[in-house]
Amino acid sequence: DIQMTQSPSSLSASVGGRVTITCRASQNIFKYLNWYQQKPGKAPKVLIYAASSLQSGVPSRFSGSGSGTDFTLSISSLQPEDFAIYYCQQSHSTPYSFGQGTKLEVK
Amino acid sequence: QVQLQESGPGLVKPSETLSLTCTVSGASVSSGGHHWTWIRQPPGKGLEWIGYIYDDSGNTDYNPSFESRVTISGDPSKNQFSLSLTSVTAADTALYFCARGVTSGWNFDCWGQGTLVTVSS
Repeated sequence: DIQMTQSPSSLSASVGGRVTITCRASQNIFKYLNWYQQKPGKAPKVLIYAASSLQSGVPSRFSGSGSGTDFTLSISSLQPEDFAIYYCQQSHSTPYSFGQGTKLEVK
Repeated sequence: QVQLQESGPGLVKPSETLSLTCTVSGASVSSGGHHWTWIRQPPGKGLEWIGYIYDDSGNTDYNPSFESRVTISGDPSKNQFSLSLTSVTAADTALYFCARGVTSGWNFDCWGQGTLVTVSS
């Protein structure tokens, strides 16, 4: 099974700032990496698929990069609604797996 | 607009079977190109993929961590798919989501709101 490891587990940032979250896969997953945002009591929402493709309707301040085993999610010009938990997920092979999550909090 | 809605008991006794149904609107569970998926999230924890059913033949793929306890089935006549998890324990207490997986981008693009299932006597 493929293990996904995110870092950091939590971080704090200010509105208007920029953050980067990293995700590492335990083996080569090419570009089969997705990023989700989850707010309290809600279902996750896909932001980025195939490592760097922006899901329709998602603001362009979200971007993803990487391939192989190392990936990043960047959020520029943080907005109040961006403070949430972010998960990476590999779709290279089943069982599909998620990172443990990164909680983004307001500084 | 595609919508998914989970339904089922919120409380299940240990050793019994957890059964949930996902009703889909705005898309057909029997159409190609989609994986109809179950994912769960224990309280305060991360996400765990349970498995999916896909294509007209009803082929399935399950997370081995559930061993032989899990079955996902489809009912195209009602545009629903269902989850059955046997021999539940307190560790199966979680928020259960149904979701649509798209093979075009290999991600879960639509989710239900989730339903909390508690395993307790």
